[in-house]
Amino acid sequence: EAQVTQNPRYLITVTGKKLTVTCSQNMNHEYMSWYRQDPGLGLRQIYYSMNVEVTDKGDVPEGYKVSRKEKRNFPLILESPSPNQTSLYFCASNPGGGWNYGYTFGSGTRLTVV
Amino acid sequence: QKEVEQDPGPLSVPEGAIVSLNCTYSNSAFQYFMWYRQYSRKGPELLMYTYSSGNKEDGRFTAQVDKSSKYISLFIRDSQPSDSATYLCAMSAPSGTYKYIFGTGTRLKVLA
Repeated sequence: EAQVTQNPRYLITVTGKKLTVTCSQNMNHEYMSWYRQDPGLGLRQIYYSMNVEVTDKGDVPEGYKVSRKEKRNFPLILESPSPNQTSLYFCASNPGGGWNYGYTFGSGTRLTVV
Repeated sequence: QKEVEQDPGPLSVPEGAIVSLNCTYSNSAFQYFMWYRQYSRKGPELLMYTYSSGNKEDGRFTAQVDKSSKYISLFIRDSQPSDSATYLCAMSAPSGTYKYIFGTGTRLKVLA
């Protein structure tokens, strides 16, 4: 089944404790992206990657890091989480290569930072 | 002013009603228009995709784009309780970066 898999689904952590949210896609998509979803603000792009070793900032990159060492994986790293990073996070992938047919999203990671 | 505006709802309709969901936008460069459906505790799933102007129909769903008015719509015919979800519009310009701007979503409840 074609899908984007995120882990964990739920995470509660304390301020300052480094964490990683994993994301993997099995569709050989070139383009991957991380979004956060907050009430009243909708989906906002954090980082995106157009291919292996190519990443760039989205609209709200502060406090986040990403890496793209393999085509299928795109982990999101919070080096020192703060309470304002409490949110619902989605990883998404897109075929790329000129095929702008929308994203396939993962099921989400609900992060709470206390 | 946000680039994409969407009424948050909630919108409650009886089963079988025709539902109209709308978004307005300000960026005339947008060429790709999408509607996503998001069930509670799930990720958004792509429902409809339209390039440029016009209508597109898929079963009970019809997407319309009016670029002159910067207005897009999603119509759901014969709505079902299983259509109860949040509907997000999304738009993209042909920039090569696949950057999508999402609306904040309209929560729809179809009452049995």
